[in-house]
Amino acid sequence: GAVVSQHPSWVICKSGTSVKIECRSLDFQATTMFWYRQFPKQSLMLMATSNEGSKATYEQGVEKDKFLINHASLTLSTLTVTSAHPEDSSFYICSASKGQGAQPQHFGDGTRLSIL
Amino acid sequence: QKEVEQDPGPLSVPEGAIVSLNCTYSNSAFQYFMWYRQYSRKGPELLMYTYSSGNKEDGRFTAQVDKSSKYISLFIRDSQPSDSATYLCAMSLTGNQFYFGTGTSLTVIP
Repeated sequence: GAVVSQHPSWVICKSGTSVKIECRSLDFQATTMFWYRQFPKQSLMLMATSNEGSKATYEQGVEKDKFLINHASLTLSTLTVTSAHPEDSSFYICSASKGQGAQPQHFGDGTRLSIL
Repeated sequence: QKEVEQDPGPLSVPEGAIVSLNCTYSNSAFQYFMWYRQYSRKGPELLMYTYSSGNKEDGRFTAQVDKSSKYISLFIRDSQPSDSATYLCAMSLTGNQFYFGTGTSLTVIP
């Protein structure tokens, strides 16, 4: 199996607060984890790629100071949305790849973030 | 030009029909091809993973890759209402960077 757990599944918070989303690979070691954002009826927009023990690589246009990514272990990556505002409301999904080389991505069930 | 093109649909078929989902791509160097199924408010679930050209079958699902035409397909036989979802194609050169299609919304009518 290749199970990726994402928590929380849904969070509502006030504007200005910071929100942390966790992504865990439950039955494999994930050398690479990815964070995506998905708008309704649209495809996945890659935000950043993180390798265990290294700084994340952010896609163009993604504010690294706003979206803090930590990949502290081979089974856990976190995304912190700092000082969240209503425009940050979205569906955030993480994925993880096993091992080195060409491997498919396995996705978590996403986190629905609503900023009031 | 987008790296990966996928018709968003929506596609609506009767139960039991054969469904054909397709993606085209522009980069002839892509080697790894994937199909994901995504239910509403859930993350994508890996259905098929193929390397290079050819066919791969898994139960009611068959993935085809035609590298000469830069075209990939997913066929679903004996479609069921539970197959109703959005299907995403994805591809990669090296397996480290993935390019996703926009997804095709499928509804199978009982």
